[in-house]
Amino acid sequence: GAVVSQHPSWVICKSGTSVKIECRSLDFQATTMFWYRQFPKQSLMLMATSNEGSKATYEQGVEKDKFLINHASLTLSTLTVTSAHPEDSSFYICSAVKGASGGNEQFFGPGTRLTVL
Amino acid sequence: GQNIDQPTEMTATEGAIVQINCTYQTSGFNGLFWYQQHAGEAPTFLSYNVLDGLEEKGRFSSFLSRSKGYSYLLLKELQMKDSASYLCAPMDSNYQLIWGAGTKLIIKP
Repeated sequence: GAVVSQHPSWVICKSGTSVKIECRSLDFQATTMFWYRQFPKQSLMLMATSNEGSKATYEQGVEKDKFLINHASLTLSTLTVTSAHPEDSSFYICSAVKGASGGNEQFFGPGTRLTVL
Repeated sequence: GQNIDQPTEMTATEGAIVQINCTYQTSGFNGLFWYQQHAGEAPTFLSYNVLDGLEEKGRFSSFLSRSKGYSYLLLKELQMKDSASYLCAPMDSNYQLIWGAGTKLIIKP
């Protein structure tokens, strides 16, 4: 199998605080992980590609200083939303690629619902 | 540019068959994925086509025509639990998935 977990499942925080979301591949090693954001009734939006041992590649329009990504091991990537504001409230989903990149299926985590008050 | 075209919403009856069409344009092509997404949940993998033709997996089948930039997902013996959004996601030359808004499928008794 290929199981990806995310923690926490949901989080409510005050405006201005930082929130860290963890994405783990439980039974495989993932050199590449992706972070997505999805607003209600909209498509998945790729935020960044996270590669183990190197800096993340951010999509255009995504602030790298606001959305900090760390991929410290082959099974863990973290996304930190710094100084969160209500407009950052969204469903954050990670996915992990099993094996070498290229043509491989992305296995999705269950998602983290962030609500910023 | 890159884009996906799927119907926004479809309605079908329990026990029937439904076909969800998808046309796409991408910079390069490394296969096409179909995902199912229930409301409030992350997508789950349904199928992957990289060669032309039909791939059958239980009640679900997926078809690809690379020359036409066209794919469809066929769902048979529809069940109420099949009510969900179905996302067609081609993979471009950078091995990134291109996402549309998906097709919301409503199953009626």
